[in-house]
Amino acid sequence: AQKITQTQPGMFVQEKEAVTLDCTYDTSDQSYGLFWYKQPSSGEMIFLIYQGSYDEQNATEGRYSLNFQKARKSANLVISASQLGDSAMYFCAMRNYQGAQKLVFGQGTRLTINP
Amino acid sequence: NAGVTQTPKFQVLKTGQSMTLQCAQDMNHNSMYWYRQDPGMGLRLIYYSASEGTTDKGEVPNGYNVSRLNKREFSLRLESAAPSQTSVYFCASSEIPPSGSEKLFFGSGTQLSVL
Repeated sequence: AQKITQTQPGMFVQEKEAVTLDCTYDTSDQSYGLFWYKQPSSGEMIFLIYQGSYDEQNATEGRYSLNFQKARKSANLVISASQLGDSAMYFCAMRNYQGAQKLVFGQGTRLTINP
Repeated sequence: NAGVTQTPKFQVLKTGQSMTLQCAQDMNHNSMYWYRQDPGMGLRLIYYSASEGTTDKGEVPNGYNVSRLNKREFSLRLESAAPSQTSVYFCASSEIPPSGSEKLFFGSGTQLSVL
C-alpha cells in the first residue's frame, strides 16, 4: 500500500526567506512519481512540480525545487525567496506506476508568509 | 479551454436523499478521479477510472457509486446521503505520458452539506 505523510500542519515564514515543506512516503513499488500541489484560499488545485523515482536529479520549476532522497523516502518541497502569494495549503502526492495506479495525497501543510 | 467541469458548485441535502455529482473533461484524458477534501484530512481518493469502461475503489469508497459514462464523463452518486459525507468534492483528470510526468487537472469543486 502507498502512503504519504506530511508532518507539518502549519508553517509560518518571513517574506523572502526560503522554506522547506516535508513529505515522506511509503511504497513497495520501484516505479513511482511524486507531486506537489498548491491550494490557495480560492480552493483551486495548482500543480507545482513532479519527480520520477528514476530521475537522478532533483526537479526544479522556477522558485520550486524538490529535494528527493530516495533512500530516506522523502520528497521535500523547497520554495526559495518566499512571497506573500505563496501563502496556501500545500499537498504532497504519489502515484505508483505498477499495479493500481492511484494518486494519493498527504494531509497537507498550511504555509503562511508574513510580511 | 473548459478543462474539467463539475456541477453543481454547491448543494445542500437532507439525510437520506440521493444525488449525482457530474464531471466532464474535454482534454481527451483516459484517467479520471473523484476526491473528497475534509479539514485536516487532505484529499482522499473515493473512486477512480484508469480508462473508459473501468472503475476502481480508492481510500474511502463506502457510501458512493461511480459511472464512467464515456471517456469525457465520470459521475459520482450518493445513494443515501449522510452527514459524514459533508465535504468538498473534487473531480480530476490526467494522462500519463511515457515520461510519467503527468499532472492532474482539477475541477473547481462541489461544496456539499448534508443536514
